[in-house]
Amino acid sequence: SQQGEEDPQALSIQEGENATMNCSYKTSINNLQWYRQNSGRGLVHLILIRSNEREKHSGRLRVTLDTSKKSSSLLITASRAADTASYFCATEERGSTLGRLYFGRGTQLTVWP
Amino acid sequence: EAEVAQSPRYKITEKSQAVAFWCDPISGHATLYWYRQILGQGPELLVQFQDESVVDDSQLPKDRFSAERLKGVDSTLKIQPAELGDSAMYLCASSDNDLGTRGNTIYFGEGSWLTVV
Repeated sequence: SQQGEEDPQALSIQEGENATMNCSYKTSINNLQWYRQNSGRGLVHLILIRSNEREKHSGRLRVTLDTSKKSSSLLITASRAADTASYFCATEERGSTLGRLYFGRGTQLTVWP
Repeated sequence: EAEVAQSPRYKITEKSQAVAFWCDPISGHATLYWYRQILGQGPELLVQFQDESVVDDSQLPKDRFSAERLKGVDSTLKIQPAELGDSAMYLCASSDNDLGTRGNTIYFGEGSWLTVV
């Protein structure tokens, strides 16, 4: 399978702490993306990092990509209760002509007030 | 902010009945996707349209699932007959599929929950 695999499956932290989620994948990629899903809702795009990039920031989000290890991490700093959600990584395979994304199973993040 | 519209939000149907889901993508998005998401898992692509044409339906169970996008705008996903294992959330998504520069960012609707009893 080309799907990414997130680790851990579940993460529980207190407000103010940092949350780190990891994603591993199997094939060469054009880019890797992170999405967020609140319970029972659709997915929302958070950030995209291209295969030639190593780190990217967006607000309290920091994403790293190590193509040699085929892995990525998502760091949420100073977490808030509103960050409680499932987080998915998705990969776009290198050479894809259709832009198909392969999603992992997600990390369920719970942030306690 | 433009959104992907889906309906119905929730659907309960009996086994062997037919069920249909509707999606209206973001205006101007040529690419439309239907994903299925089983509880506790990530979304899996069922079918991808480019305008009115199907470009990937390799994961669509074609014996019971069908999808169309007749005018290249809104789309319908149908299941007939429904089976217990079809219980899941069906997500529609769209993109402008800008592969050359920004990468393919996908915009999702809120999903349609299907329960087959």
